[in-house]
Amino acid sequence: AQKVTQAQTEISVVEKEDVTLDCVYETRDTTYYLFWYKQPPSGELVFLIRRNSFDEQNEISGRYSWNFQKSTSSFNFTITASQVVDSAVYFCALGYGGSQGNLIFGKGTKLSVKP
Amino acid sequence: DSGVTQTPKHLITATGQRVTLRCSPRSGDLSVYWYQQSLDQGLQFLIQYYNGEERAKGNILERFSAQQFPDLHSELNLSSLELGDSALYFCASSVASGGTNEQFFGPGTRLTVL
Repeated sequence: AQKVTQAQTEISVVEKEDVTLDCVYETRDTTYYLFWYKQPPSGELVFLIRRNSFDEQNEISGRYSWNFQKSTSSFNFTITASQVVDSAVYFCALGYGGSQGNLIFGKGTKLSVKP
Repeated sequence: DSGVTQTPKHLITATGQRVTLRCSPRSGDLSVYWYQQSLDQGLQFLIQYYNGEERAKGNILERFSAQQFPDLHSELNLSSLELGDSALYFCASSVASGGTNEQFFGPGTRLTVL
């Protein structure tokens, strides 16, 4: 069965701290896609990144970086030098490799960055 | 702004009633998805349409139905509403179907059933 686990329900950090959000997935497919979305207090879901199962290169975008490791079925997200504006719920999601496009979401991690 | 629009933003209704949620995808996107976000179930996929045809179905109740029209907008119909249907309903769209495509989410419709 397809499943995404975000074991950290809530994380609280002080501004400028680095923080890593964990994501572990389960799938039997060899082709799949992993996503991170951000849901700020305003409620919308904002796309952050997509990786496919054949690309294990880490990715960095500004203060954001992602570590994809197939050996441990993990796709972790690190925010460097966190800011108050990073406060949000972050969702990891798994997408099928076939023609179905729906995503399977984890329960989310609520990140609070305090000044 | 993702380019996906949803109306209404808020909806308050009573048990037993029927409501329709509307979604307009981003220009050029053929696929529309509906998700339900509730405190206990999290974000759950309901149904997907691609170019007017149903492509995938998730945990959608029989009281719920959806369709995608020729102009590609979609409607989610919820009937015989129960208190437990109170949730945030998201529509998302993507260029094509398949997990390779980013899904862009609308702002959501918050449904409250009293």
